[in-house]
Amino acid sequence: DADVTQTPRNRITKTGKRIMLECSQTKGHDRMYWYRQDPGLGLRLIYYSFDVKDINKGEISDGYSVSRQAQAKFSLSLESAIPNQTALYFCATEKTGDADTQYFGPGTRLTVL
Amino acid sequence: SQQGEEDPQALSIQEGENATMNCSYKTSINNLQWYRQNSGRGLVHLILIRSNEREKHSGRLRVTLDTSKKSSSLLITASRAADTASYFCAKRSRSNYKLTFGKGTLLTVNP
Repeated sequence: DADVTQTPRNRITKTGKRIMLECSQTKGHDRMYWYRQDPGLGLRLIYYSFDVKDINKGEISDGYSVSRQAQAKFSLSLESAIPNQTALYFCATEKTGDADTQYFGPGTRLTVL
Repeated sequence: SQQGEEDPQALSIQEGENATMNCSYKTSINNLQWYRQNSGRGLVHLILIRSNEREKHSGRLRVTLDTSKKSSSLLITASRAADTASYFCAKRSRSNYKLTFGKGTLLTVNP
C-alpha cells in the first residue's frame, strides 16, 4: 500500500463549487504540505502544517484553506473553485529531523470548468 | 519568487549518454535536493547534498554543489530510456528552513 495517498485522483468541477482534496499518510510523519503544479511553473507551496492544529500559509494560499485534525490527515479545500485553480495538486510529508526528505502522494488532477 | 532555476528546461539524449542538469539559487541554503517526476506522478526524492558538502554519489547519480557560485549540478551517467522524466532541484533555506522547488528539467532519453 502507498504511504501517502490522495483522494480523489481526478476531479472535474464547475466554477463556484466547493471542493475538498484529501491526503492521508501511514508514514507517521509530523509535517505535511500541499503544493500545486502548473505547466512551466514547477511546484508552488499552498499550505503546510508541522503538527496537528498547526497551519501555515505558503506562497499561494489565497482561495484555499486547509485542515489538520489528525496527524495522518491533511485536507485542502477550495471554497469557491475558479478556472485558474485547474492544476495538479500534490500532498507531501516529512519527518522532522529525518534527512529533510519529502515524500509525495500520487497527485490529484483538478479541472475547474 | 522561486529559487533553484534548472537549466536546461529540456534535454534530449541517446541511451548510454550522460545527462547533466544544472540548478542555481539565490539565498543561503542548508541543503539542496534533487527529485524526479515521471509524467503526471508524484515526485520521488533522489539525492540530498548539504551545504558543507561538494559532491555526492548514488548509483549512476552524481551531484555537485558550489556554494560560492550558488549552483548545483546533477549528472546521470549511462542514461537509460527509463530515466526519461522531469528532474527538480529543491533548496532548503538556511533562514526559514522552507523547501523551494525549481521549475524542472524535462529529460528525454531516446532508445
